[in-house]
Amino acid sequence: GIQVEQSPPDLILQEGANSTLRCNFSDSVNNLQWFHQNPWGQLINLFYIPSGTKQNGRLSATTVATERYSLLYISSSQTTDSGVYFCAVEHPPGGTSYGKLTFGQGTILTVHP
Amino acid sequence: KAGVTQTPRYLIKTRGQQVTLSCSPISGHRSVSWYQQTPGQGLQFLFEYFSETQRNKGNFPGRFSGRQFSNSRSEMNVSTLELGDSALYLCASSATGDSTDTQYFGPGTRLTVL
Repeated sequence: GIQVEQSPPDLILQEGANSTLRCNFSDSVNNLQWFHQNPWGQLINLFYIPSGTKQNGRLSATTVATERYSLLYISSSQTTDSGVYFCAVEHPPGGTSYGKLTFGQGTILTVHP
Repeated sequence: KAGVTQTPRYLIKTRGQQVTLSCSPISGHRSVSWYQQTPGQGLQFLFEYFSETQRNKGNFPGRFSGRQFSNSRSEMNVSTLELGDSALYLCASSATGDSTDTQYFGPGTRLTVL
């Protein structure tokens, strides 16, 4: 199956700092999503980004599908950004794993005031 | 539009028992997927249902089963519980389950097996 690797595993920032999270995947995918999991376990979709660049406020994401990686940028970080960030890739149609999301292990982000 | 809801939110069971978890998708969504999250294994796909049919299944033993009803609500069942089944169980819904669809997750059910 598709392997998904995220880096760094842990990241500690001071409020106001910028950061870049990376997601590498081992094969072609039809869909890539970034999620934020808050301390209560709720997974919130940040971006659906199979390719290209998207921005939403202080967050932006870029996926270079041909090179099999995606980046999540967080600018001017706030304490509420703390949590775990996951990227997840969806297997393409036609195979036995169609519809299945494979998650990376996540990046644990801690933002200190 | 209401989000994905899961019940119960917390559950404590003992080894050997069975448990049923419920997931109500966003109105109009027909695809429901289930995931298990543990500290050791991370987030792992359990199965996906679309229009009452299981379309895909992860690598879990047969003790894990599920179903989907005509209103798209889904249940998953775990029989003969083991300590290792303690986890956060998340369900996600999407409109069609197509790869272009965004999946929306519920708050999860935290299962503790004693």
